[in-house]
Amino acid sequence: ELKVEQNPLFLSMQEGKNYTIYCNYSTTSDRLYWYRQDPGKSLESLFVLLSNGAVKQEGRLMASLDTKARLSTLHITAAVHDLSATYFCAVDGEKGGATNKLIFGTGTLLAVQP
Amino acid sequence: ETGVTQTPRHLVMGMTNKKSLKCEQHLGHNAMYWYKQSAKKPLELMFVYNFKEQTENNSVPSRFSPECPNSSHLFLHLHTLQPEDSALYLCASSPRWGEADTQYFGPGTRLTVL
Repeated sequence: ELKVEQNPLFLSMQEGKNYTIYCNYSTTSDRLYWYRQDPGKSLESLFVLLSNGAVKQEGRLMASLDTKARLSTLHITAAVHDLSATYFCAVDGEKGGATNKLIFGTGTLLAVQP
Repeated sequence: ETGVTQTPRHLVMGMTNKKSLKCEQHLGHNAMYWYKQSAKKPLELMFVYNFKEQTENNSVPSRFSPECPNSSHLFLHLHTLQPEDSALYLCASSPRWGEADTQYFGPGTRLTVL
């Protein structure tokens, strides 16, 4: 069974602190996607990581991919309240993305406190 | 209008009603999707369409009936739903067929079944 697991499921952090969200997956996918969802809103694409060792950064968020460990991390630097949201990772349903299927993780609800 | 749009944004229906959800994408994409998002559950893929052809049906009950009249429009027809079908229904599209890629999501329809 294909699984994508995120931890933690809930993260409360203070402004200015750093933290990391982990995404473990059981497929042999070599691509990974990160999305953000604000309360009551839709999913917004953050990053696409296309190969082993890929690293992408946007503002206070940095995502990396280790396909051998089947692990991606989303690192938050000096958190601000605006980053409060639910973050999802997703992987290709088949290696090489031969189908259009994405398998989503359970999501991590991030709450940044002043 | 740009991106992926969905109507209605909110829908309350009884178990004996028939209603339809509409999705339209203005991105020129070749694949469209219906997802169900329930509280405390991962995003569930329901259907995938390539142009008018359905290629994925993840064991979705027959009370959900998709329709894709052209490459820009996707409908989800609902009839005799159950209270457990209450959820956020998200439509998405992606550029290429037969290749996993970033999916672009609509704002969703919040469905409540009484």
